[in-house]
Amino acid sequence: QKEVEQNSGPLSVPEGAIASLNCTYSDRVSQSFFWYRQYSGKSPELIMSIYSNGDKEDGRFTAQLNKASQYVSLLIRDSQPSDSATYLCAVNRANQGGKLIFGQGTELSVKP
Amino acid sequence: GAGVSQSPSNKVTEKGKDVELRCDPISGHTALYWYRQSLGQGLEFLIYFQGNSAPDKSGLPSDRFSAERTGGSVSTLTIQRTQQEDSAVYLCASSLFQDGYTFGSGTRLTVV
Repeated sequence: QKEVEQNSGPLSVPEGAIASLNCTYSDRVSQSFFWYRQYSGKSPELIMSIYSNGDKEDGRFTAQLNKASQYVSLLIRDSQPSDSATYLCAVNRANQGGKLIFGQGTELSVKP
Repeated sequence: GAGVSQSPSNKVTEKGKDVELRCDPISGHTALYWYRQSLGQGLEFLIYFQGNSAPDKSGLPSDRFSAERTGGSVSTLTIQRTQQEDSAVYLCASSLFQDGYTFGSGTRLTVV
């Protein structure tokens, strides 16, 4: 079992819809969770971080964390074609400094 | 500096040659990380530095790979006797404490 798992996609949604991206992790001692966006040919860019159970909203983005289910998700409201990218989930465990373990990423395509 | 700077941006080398990749992190960021990303793949952790020491070098694929960091700032990743399977984008990131990373633009290494 991979430490961090994501559906590779592609996930295709129409413009204006809600895109839902999901991630599960295997290690219960994980404590910090991040979502990165990576455009083709570019490096990853941090878009959201979440540390406690519940929802965290930032503009059109909402991160959701459920530690009991070892599940973290990212919702993108009012999806735009410019949101088309690969979204990477990353997890940090206690006692590993700032080392992040990344999932394989989910490719999102927003169709005009 | 304003961002994480990596050089060179592209490197083509012959199999068997040594290469050095450089990373200049954001000023004041104490932690520095090296990852690599093969085509269509996720991010593979290589090594991380806290200051000048490397608490975790568990991701280095073989003894052909080494890295150092001097003055708590610039880091160099060295690959000796390069092989074709070393071809990838090598990404450097830095962070303050255990926040999310800021990535550099990467070095695309091609071994021919």
